Amino acid sequence: DIQMTQSPSSVSASVGDRVTITCRASQAISRWLAWYQQKPGKVPKLLIFAASSLQSGVPSRFSGSGSGTDFTLTISSLQPEDFATYYCQQANNFPLAFGGGTKVEIK
Amino acid sequence: QLQLQESGPGLVKPSETLSLTCTVSGGSISSSSYYWAWIRQPPGKGLEWIGSIYYSGSTYSNPSLERRVTISVDMSKNQFSLKLSSVTAADTAVFYCARIGYCDNGYCYGTNAFDIWGQGTVVTVSS
Repeated sequence: DIQMTQSPSSVSASVGDRVTITCRASQAISRWLAWYQQKPGKVPKLLIFAASSLQSGVPSRFSGSGSGTDFTLTISSLQPEDFATYYCQQANNFPLAFGGGTKVEIK
Repeated sequence: QLQLQESGPGLVKPSETLSLTCTVSGGSISSSSYYWAWIRQPPGKGLEWIGSIYYSGSTYSNPSLERRVTISVDMSKNQFSLKLSSVTAADTAVFYCARIGYCDNGYCYGTNAFDIWGQGTVVTVSS
């Protein structure tokens, strides 16, 4: 089974900062990686699919890259509404799996 | 616009079976382009995929839960369901249902990601 490891587990940043979150798969998953944003008490929201495709309605300051085993989510200029927890998820094959999450906190 | 809604008891006793239903509205569960999934999130913790089902009834489950999980689909009601047996306090969580596309032989249906989610339902395991 594929294990997903995110780093860091938390990051403190200021509005306007560039933030990068990393996700590593325990084996190659091609480009089949998704990123989600979850705010406290809310439903997870799909941001990025197929490693780098922006879901409709998601601001362009979010971007994703990578293939194989190493992936990144970048927020180019952090906005107040971006403080949340972010999860990666592999969709290459069953069983599906999420990473442990990265909490983006206000510095 | 497709919507998902979870329903079921909010309190389940230890050793009993948790049963939840997800009702699909604004679209058909018998679409050949998607799988339907259950995901849970214990308090203060991350997301865990429980399992997925195709309209044909084909299912996949998390190996860590496989022996206790049953997922089924009822196309006549446009619903799919989750049963988790022998629950303990560790099964207390918010349970979500969601839709996910898939890829087959190089062709992808949908986004191959969980693009539509239900609002979630809290299930507490306690006597």
